[in-house]
Amino acid sequence: AQSVAQPEDQVNVAEGNPLTVKCTYSVSGNPYLFWYVQYPNRGLQFLLKYITGDNLVKGSYGFEAEFNKSQTSFHLKKPSALVSDSALYFCAVRDIATSGTYKYIFGTGTRLKVLA
Amino acid sequence: ETGVTQSPTHLIKTRGQQVTLRCSSQSGHNTVSWYQQALGQGPQFIFQYYREEENGRGNFPPRFSGLQFPNYSSELNVNALELDDSALYLCASSWGHTNEKLFFGSGTQLSVL
Repeated sequence: AQSVAQPEDQVNVAEGNPLTVKCTYSVSGNPYLFWYVQYPNRGLQFLLKYITGDNLVKGSYGFEAEFNKSQTSFHLKKPSALVSDSALYFCAVRDIATSGTYKYIFGTGTRLKVLA
Repeated sequence: ETGVTQSPTHLIKTRGQQVTLRCSSQSGHNTVSWYQQALGQGPQFIFQYYREEENGRGNFPPRFSGLQFPNYSSELNVNALELDDSALYLCASSWGHTNEKLFFGSGTQLSVL
């Protein structure tokens, strides 16, 4: 079964410093990986996805993610954090059920706090 | 902001009652998925509707049911509410059923007392 793990419940970083939010995955076959962000009282917003191609994926709001097949990781990164980046971040993998349905399996989320 | 709207935003019910949650998908999207997000957890897949047919279901009992209408809006119905049903219910729409990018609504926060 496909799964993702986010080992950190919370990440604190100073404004202007680089940030990394970690995600590891376990899939059979080629992974379709995603990052979504959730602000308070809001739904999830798409940040970026990896399907094939370059291991470094660029997304919204200056975020990028690095796909590493040997380490089965898909860490989210940003060179310079902003206070407005403070939110809940979810890693996800797209799974295909026997019915043919494409569904997402989400990690438990990592709360990012950027300190001024 | 996505074009996905959900109503109501908050709801309080008692155990054993029934509830209907509504979702209006983004214009042009023909697929709607519903997810349950319990406190401190990631969203969990409930089911998906594609062109008005349920075409996939997660590990949720039959008392969770849904509909998709010709305009691709959707409802989630939960019968015989249990305390553990308290959660944020998220609707997500997409074009086509491969779900390469989901557009989420802000959710309905359901509290079961």
